[in-house]
Amino acid sequence: GESVGLHLPTLSVQEGDNSIINCAYSNSASDYFIWYKQESGKGPQFIIDIRSNMDKRQGQRVTVLLNKTVKHLSLQIAATQPGDSAVYFCAENKMKTSYDKVIFGPGTSLSVIP
Amino acid sequence: DTAVSQTPKYLVTQMGNDKSIKCEQNLGHDTMYWYKQDSKKFLKIMFSYNNKELIINETVPNRFSPKSPDKAHLNLHINSLELGDSAVYFCASSPVRRGAAYEQYFGPGTRLTVT
Repeated sequence: GESVGLHLPTLSVQEGDNSIINCAYSNSASDYFIWYKQESGKGPQFIIDIRSNMDKRQGQRVTVLLNKTVKHLSLQIAATQPGDSAVYFCAENKMKTSYDKVIFGPGTSLSVIP
Repeated sequence: DTAVSQTPKYLVTQMGNDKSIKCEQNLGHDTMYWYKQDSKKFLKIMFSYNNKELIINETVPNRFSPKSPDKAHLNLHINSLELGDSAVYFCASSPVRRGAAYEQYFGPGTRLTVT
């Protein structure tokens, strides 16, 4: 079956350090992989995505790496700030003919230590 | 200028009752979703509508019935509520696929507690 999972359920990082959040997936047929951030009491918010034919994509302070050989996805956050404290979800998007379906992983909680 | 709004934000009710959660988006998106997030933060899709047409219907008890009066609204009605229905329910919307992973915009969530 399809599944997206995370190696670490919680992660604590010192402010200013870089954070790396990892994700393993089992479905090779996904077209895109996506990272969402969910702050306490709020809904998930899109951060960045990567197409399955790419291996790296950079955004503002974030980089997503995709290793299809080992079915591994990671989100790197540079110079982590207190505002980065949240639960991070990796998700896979499978495009179908008439609709897309996003499957979320279980989430990693990131805590930034001031 | 709220993009995706849900009402109510909190809902406490007793087992056996029937309740509804409303969702509205002002982004002009064609597709709307309902997700359930359990106490462990696991987020699972329940339903998806595209232009008022049901396109995703996951394995959800038929006590849950979505209704989309127009493409800006997607409501969720739950009959005969059970303890296991306690969760946070998120509504989301997204534009028509543009050849890229489309970004889903989530509402603030409705925390449902069944006692």
